[in-house]
Amino acid sequence: GQSLEQPSEVTAVEGAIVQINCTYQTSGFYGLSWYQQHDGGAPTFLSYNALDGLEETGRFSSFLSRSDSYGYLLLQELQMKDSASYFCAVRTGGFKTIFGAGTRLFVKA
Amino acid sequence: DGGITQSPKYLFRKEGQNVTLSCEQNLNHDAMYWYRQDPGQGLRLIYYSQIVNDFQKGDIAEGYSVSREKKESFPLTVTSAQKNPTAFYLCATRPGTGNTGELFFGEGSRLTVL
Repeated sequence: GQSLEQPSEVTAVEGAIVQINCTYQTSGFYGLSWYQQHDGGAPTFLSYNALDGLEETGRFSSFLSRSDSYGYLLLQELQMKDSASYFCAVRTGGFKTIFGAGTRLFVKA
Repeated sequence: DGGITQSPKYLFRKEGQNVTLSCEQNLNHDAMYWYRQDPGQGLRLIYYSQIVNDFQKGDIAEGYSVSREKKESFPLTVTSAQKNPTAFYLCATRPGTGNTGELFFGEGSRLTVL
């Protein structure tokens, strides 16, 4: 079967750096995406890695290692508004994309 | 404004009734998707469509049906065969070209079965 594993919860303090890991086991792989979702809202796209390495977008960075079937999302200079759920997602082939169960991030003052 | 419109936002249904959730987009995106989200859980793929008049089952298609008669529209019917339909339903789109991997989501429809 196909699976994406990520921690269920992470807690960090305001101003800190936090890393959310994602390991995947899928029948195909085109790329790894990250999404943010606040309670009751729709997921919003954060980043996408199709090739190995680090992608940086402002305070957020995402890393991919295809040989390890592993990626992570790095959030720097944490703010209270970053408290949300974060999902990794794999495009497995063609247009199909599957999601992990999500990581709930709590940012404390 | 360009975007994805899902309706209704909230829907209550009695057991045994079919219900159709609407998803309309004016982004001119080729691919459209339906995901289901249960409280505290991730998104599970129900159906997706790459082009008009074609759609594929996702991981949890049983008890659901879709149609794609127009590029702009991808309605989802939750049938009485779906045993536990109470959930948050999200429609998403993706452009046919480009390789950013980005999905664009609507605001969702929250279905409650009474």
